[in-house]
Amino acid sequence: TQLLEQSPQFLSIQEGENLTVYCNSSSVFSSLQWYRQEPGEGPVLLVTVVTGGEVKKLKRLTFQFGDARKDSSLHITAAQPGDTGLYLCAGAGGYSGAGSYQLTFGKGTKLSVIP
Amino acid sequence: NAGVTQTPKFQVLKTGQSMTLQCAQDMNHNSMYWYRQDPGMGLRLIYYSASEGTTDKGEVPNGYNVSRLNKREFSLRLESAAPSQTSVYFCASSERKIYYTGPMNTEAFFGQGTRLTVV
Repeated sequence: TQLLEQSPQFLSIQEGENLTVYCNSSSVFSSLQWYRQEPGEGPVLLVTVVTGGEVKKLKRLTFQFGDARKDSSLHITAAQPGDTGLYLCAGAGGYSGAGSYQLTFGKGTKLSVIP
Repeated sequence: NAGVTQTPKFQVLKTGQSMTLQCAQDMNHNSMYWYRQDPGMGLRLIYYSASEGTTDKGEVPNGYNVSRLNKREFSLRLESAAPSQTSVYFCASSERKIYYTGPMNTEAFFGQGTRLTVV
C-alpha cells in the first residue's frame, strides 16, 4: 500500500491569512490529485498534477507537484470562510499492473477559516 | 446528471446482520471503488474494480465482499456486521488513461455516501 502523509491534520486560521498544506510520500506517483470535501458530501476534485515540478493555479489556490513526483503542496492566499472544508490528496500508482489502479487518499487536512 | 448513485443513505444494523450497499454510475467509467471514512482516518480503500469482471482488495477488505455486476454497478456486502464497521461509506468511479508519466486516473466522482451504524 502506498501511503500519503498529509500535514497539518487540522488548521484554524483567520480570514485573510495565507496557508500551506502538504502531502508527502516515499512512493512515486504518475499523478496526484487534490480534492475538497464538505460535511455530508463526497469529495470533489480541485486539480490533477502530472509533471514533476508542475505548478497549477485555481484562483487563490496554488498547487505544486514535487520534482520527484513524491510530494505536493496546496497554498491558499487570503483564505476566506468559503474555503473551509477537508482537503484530501490522492495518488494513483506509477507502475503497471492491477495494483496501479488503486486510488489512495491521505488522511486529509481539516481547514477552518474564521470570519 | 446522476453521476454516481449510492443507496441507501442511512442504515442501522444489529451486530451479525447482513446488508448490501448498492452503487451505480452512468459515466461509462471502467474503474470503481468502495471507501470507508472514519473520523481522523481520511478515506480508506476497501475494494476496487479496475474493469468489469475484475475486483481487487484495497487497504481494509476484511469483513466485506464486492460484486462488479456489470460496467455500471458495483455493490459492497457486509455478511455479518460488526460495530467496527460503523462508518460512512463512499462509492466512486473514474477512468484510466496512459500518460507519458505512466497510468493515471481521471477525476474520481463520488456518491453521496452511506452512513452505517452497527449496534
